[in-house]
Amino acid sequence: DADVTQTPRNRITKTGKRIMLECSQTKGHDRMYWYRQDPGLGLRLIYYSFDVKDINKGEISDGYSVSRQAQAKFSLSLESAIPNQTALYFCATSEAGSNEQFFGPGTRLTVL
Amino acid sequence: AQSVTQPDIHITVSEGASLELRCNYSYGATPYLFWYVQSPGQGLQLLLKYFSGDTLVQGIKGFEAEFKRSQSSFNLRKPSVHWSDAAEYFCAVGARGYNKLIFGAGTRLAVHP
Repeated sequence: DADVTQTPRNRITKTGKRIMLECSQTKGHDRMYWYRQDPGLGLRLIYYSFDVKDINKGEISDGYSVSRQAQAKFSLSLESAIPNQTALYFCATSEAGSNEQFFGPGTRLTVL
Repeated sequence: AQSVTQPDIHITVSEGASLELRCNYSYGATPYLFWYVQSPGQGLQLLLKYFSGDTLVQGIKGFEAEFKRSQSSFNLRKPSVHWSDAAEYFCAVGARGYNKLIFGAGTRLAVHP
């Protein structure tokens, strides 16, 4: 089945460390997204990319950066992790022109 | 600006009882509307979506939702809840042509035997 995968699934790190979360998809979708989920806040958009050369900030991009290495890969980096970046992170994809998004299983990140 | 409100943070129902989860949105035109479910330790799975046409939409797992423009609502319903429906449910709204979604804060459903 065409799928969206995320690695790692769980990560514990310390304040100040650089962290990269990776997302790969076999759906052939052009558009990819990174969200974070916090209890009581739902999902908030961090960054999104409509194709390899197009990267856009979402509502909470401060402290994060992204790289779209290929159509199928979209990585999220925390240059210097801080405790309030502890959250569940989701990658999602969609076809061009469609609002329907397909989600990966999530990465649970804990920053101590 | 678009926004989504899910007024109920937690809901508990008995197995076999009916269920309605509320969702209200704010958007200037007819939006695209979605309900996703997140089971423990899982990603989000699409339950159903509304783009246009019939305002009562059927989804997977026996769920349905009704778009009511006059009330800016898109409530999710199920006539008889199963224990496996215990999960967190998210309503989302998208603007036509913009490929981005705004999510509500979620409603956590617990099912008592």
